[in-house]
Amino acid sequence: DAGVTQSPTHLIKTRGQHVTLRCSPISGHKSVSWYQQVLGQGPQFIFQYYEKEERGRGNFPDRFSARQFPNYSSELNVNALLLGDSALYLCASSPLAGVAQYFGPGTRLTVL
Amino acid sequence: TQLLEQSPQFLSIQEGENLTVYCNSSSVFSSLQWYRQEPGEGPVLLVTVVTGGEVKKLKRLTFQFGDARKDSSLHITAAQPGDTGLYLCAGVHGATNKLIFGTGTLLAVQP
Repeated sequence: DAGVTQSPTHLIKTRGQHVTLRCSPISGHKSVSWYQQVLGQGPQFIFQYYEKEERGRGNFPDRFSARQFPNYSSELNVNALLLGDSALYLCASSPLAGVAQYFGPGTRLTVL
Repeated sequence: TQLLEQSPQFLSIQEGENLTVYCNSSSVFSSLQWYRQEPGEGPVLLVTVVTGGEVKKLKRLTFQFGDARKDSSLHITAAQPGDTGLYLCAGVHGATNKLIFGTGTLLAVQP
């Protein structure tokens, strides 16, 4: 069975641009969470979606938004990119809204 | 703001040695998880501990949840090069089910 998949794997953007990251959860999983991992630190929670509704939001500015589609896949959007947005963006899925998280390989975003 | 502090931050040991990683917080968590992350990959869940004082063993890895559910430890016996990676603890807030990750411990086991 396929695990959590994310696309693209790597992305280079310039300041001020916007970016869309995509995530497909494990088949049957209805919850998707997004995390930002800056080099040398643990992941920071951004959003959780369950059954297409936002269930939780971390301490991130409004430039960050997300949505979940009827097939449970998800997109993370970041507007007006800053240098500090450079990080590994991780998506995790779980069967319910609980916390048994299965992580994807991440999208490495570099903002120049 | 990181609520979970891990120590040590870095650890380089020889194959066969034992080690302990600590995860401490001033907050109480409903449960605590340990993950291992290798370069270029996402974290992989190793274990979830739920009850204060709980001890779980996974082959050469022993995980303990503190009695007050504020801290945890991971002990590895006879470390092997395959144990190399970033070890992350993550506390679960009962009210929100949010995962709060620790600062991470980077382990390198030399053959």
